[in-house]
Amino acid sequence: QVQLQESGPGLVKPSQTLSLTCTVSGGSTSSGTYYWSWIRQPAGKGLEWIGRIDTSGSTNYNPSLKSRVTISVDTSKNQFSLKLSSVTAADTAVYYCARDAGIGGVFFDYWGQGTLVTVSS
Amino acid sequence: DIQMTQSPSTLSASVGDRVTITCRASQSISSWLAWYQQKPGKAPNLLIYKASSLESGVPSRFSGSGSGTEFTLTISSLQPDDFATYYCQQYDSYSLTFGGGTKVEIK
Repeated sequence: QVQLQESGPGLVKPSQTLSLTCTVSGGSTSSGTYYWSWIRQPAGKGLEWIGRIDTSGSTNYNPSLKSRVTISVDTSKNQFSLKLSSVTAADTAVYYCARDAGIGGVFFDYWGQGTLVTVSS
Repeated sequence: DIQMTQSPSTLSASVGDRVTITCRASQSISSWLAWYQQKPGKAPNLLIYKASSLESGVPSRFSGSGSGTEFTLTISSLQPDDFATYYCQQYDSYSLTFGGGTKVEIK
């Protein structure tokens, strides 16, 4: 059973960089089949895809966030990470990491439990 | 970006009811559509992919249909565990987008 777990600071100051890590167990970020994504959800609102990465480091980003987002993968630790720069209160949300089926289709079959990140001074 | 519009935004129904949720895409997405169920405080759970393929372990009362720009999620007989919010998601382009959600409430 694949499991994903987000970790990182729950509070980030405005203009700083939000950094989160997703640790994968029961599966491998080295798998060439799957991609690994970040998705967020502001309180009471809908879902917004942030971006994804494959084992080789190939990425796709949401155009609306692309200038501020970096996603990386560390296959030796079976982890992938998100950095979102120049954050504002609008970036306050629950952040999820998830696996997508890659060439099978970009839908998300395994999700982390989510972590709340608040942007506030 | 491809915009996904769900309707209704809220739906009141009773146990045993047949429920249908609609998702419309701003342009054709072929069958590249997924449906998720989300309960409060939990991550979304994949129900349907490629418009009509049932994810393993999902009850058969859930079904999906459609192609192009119009899609539906149907729950054939609503169960107590099904009261939740449902989202559609297109994956026709790499700018993935979700619908705004449909909350299914107890009538």
